[in-house]
Amino acid sequence: EVQLVESGGGLVKPGGSLRLSCAASGFPFSDAWMNWVRQAPGKGLEWVGRIKTKTDAETPAYAAPVKGRFTISRDDSKNTLYLLMNSLKTEDTAVYYCRGVTATNDYWGQGALVTVSS
Amino acid sequence: DVVMTQSPLSLPVTLGQPASISCRSSQSLVHSDGNTYLNWFQQRPGQSPRRLIYKVSNRDSGVPDRFSGSGSVTDFTLTISRVEAEDVGVYYCMQATHWPPGLTFGGGTKVEIK
Repeated sequence: EVQLVESGGGLVKPGGSLRLSCAASGFPFSDAWMNWVRQAPGKGLEWVGRIKTKTDAETPAYAAPVKGRFTISRDDSKNTLYLLMNSLKTEDTAVYYCRGVTATNDYWGQGALVTVSS
Repeated sequence: DVVMTQSPLSLPVTLGQPASISCRSSQSLVHSDGNTYLNWFQQRPGQSPRRLIYKVSNRDSGVPDRFSGSGSVTDFTLTISRVEAEDVGVYYCMQATHWPPGLTFGGGTKVEIK
């Protein structure tokens, strides 16, 4: 069974930092391009960033609103994706989903809620 | 940057009847490799998104054949041939052709039963 399990969400003050993790199982994680996608309360889906496989050896790509503040990384030995979020703003409040894409499949986690509020 | 525009915003449908959702992009989605990277996602209430269609018209594994995708260049359509109760939710199109800016979602279309 494929699983993507996000963790690390919570309440943080503006300007603070938070690191999300996404533990993957049931599919070849090291072969998957991994993404973070977020959804603000009552709003649509917004892509945050992507990291390709080690084989593709390309630096991660980020959406304009988070570039320079967020960092995506992966540890294939632990089948885990990370999202380090710095300088958080109230507009970063959202459910953050990790998404894995292989040649034939597309997988999503259940999401982690991040609330940025004073 | 490429902008994805979906219509309608809300789509009340009768059970058993067809439904169509339109997605238009501000630029051609034909990639230099010849593929068109336009996907469709379903998000049921309280659930994570799920991909239904990739590269315009390819159904994902396990997706009922009442779902179909069509279109080309800048105009795309998701069609549900006979709506069932479990199809209630929000549907999003997404382009993956243009980098930057990266993946771009449409604003979503809410499908509900009349």
